[in-house]
Amino acid sequence: DAGITQSPRHKVTETGTPVTLRCHQTENHRYMYWYRQDPGHGLRLIHYSYGVKDTDKGEVSDGYSVSRSKTEDFLLTLESATSSQTSVYFCAISEDGRGDTEAFFGQGTRLTVV
Amino acid sequence: DQQVKQNSPSLSVQEGRISILNCDYTNSMFDYFLWYKKYPAEGPTFLISISSIKDKNEDGRFTVFLNKSAKHLSLHIVPSQPGDSAVYFCAAGQSGAGSYQLTFGKGTKLSVIP
Repeated sequence: DAGITQSPRHKVTETGTPVTLRCHQTENHRYMYWYRQDPGHGLRLIHYSYGVKDTDKGEVSDGYSVSRSKTEDFLLTLESATSSQTSVYFCAISEDGRGDTEAFFGQGTRLTVV
Repeated sequence: DQQVKQNSPSLSVQEGRISILNCDYTNSMFDYFLWYKKYPAEGPTFLISISSIKDKNEDGRFTVFLNKSAKHLSLHIVPSQPGDSAVYFCAAGQSGAGSYQLTFGKGTKLSVIP
């Protein structure tokens, strides 16, 4: 299994509070991604990173920010959590970021915003 | 507008029979397709892929067929086993440089009945 660790695995937070999810990899892959999975929507890309300090928006980036200060860590921040951000969040990594390369996923973080 | 569509939310198959999962896409720029399998409380794991230069790729019990003219692909599992019960996601990407993301379908939940 690819070395990807997401923390925390579960979190309950209140509306309006900031939340940070962490993704840590030991594979030294250049590309890292944050997805959310919701019933009826499958997996949707939030943000991705193609190197240290290099990030870009995905399909559903509103309300989220990311940071990558080290190759191994990719942080996802919800500046002010809303109930619509209740979801399961998956981090993924890939070696070269090409569309024809498989991505490896972490085990997910279940976030509930009450 | 959904670019990758899995129109069957669920599928039930008897153990030992064939499972056929379908996926349609609309973006002609996609030239690489992947299938991921997801068990509850785990991250998606890569199953099999196919490039647009092929129309079939086989790996053990799993075969993916691609019909470019119809913009349709299918995953065949023969014979189906109870351990195959999971959600299957179809994903599509572009092999060119700068194509950093995969687009996923909503998933099909496969139940293999013993």
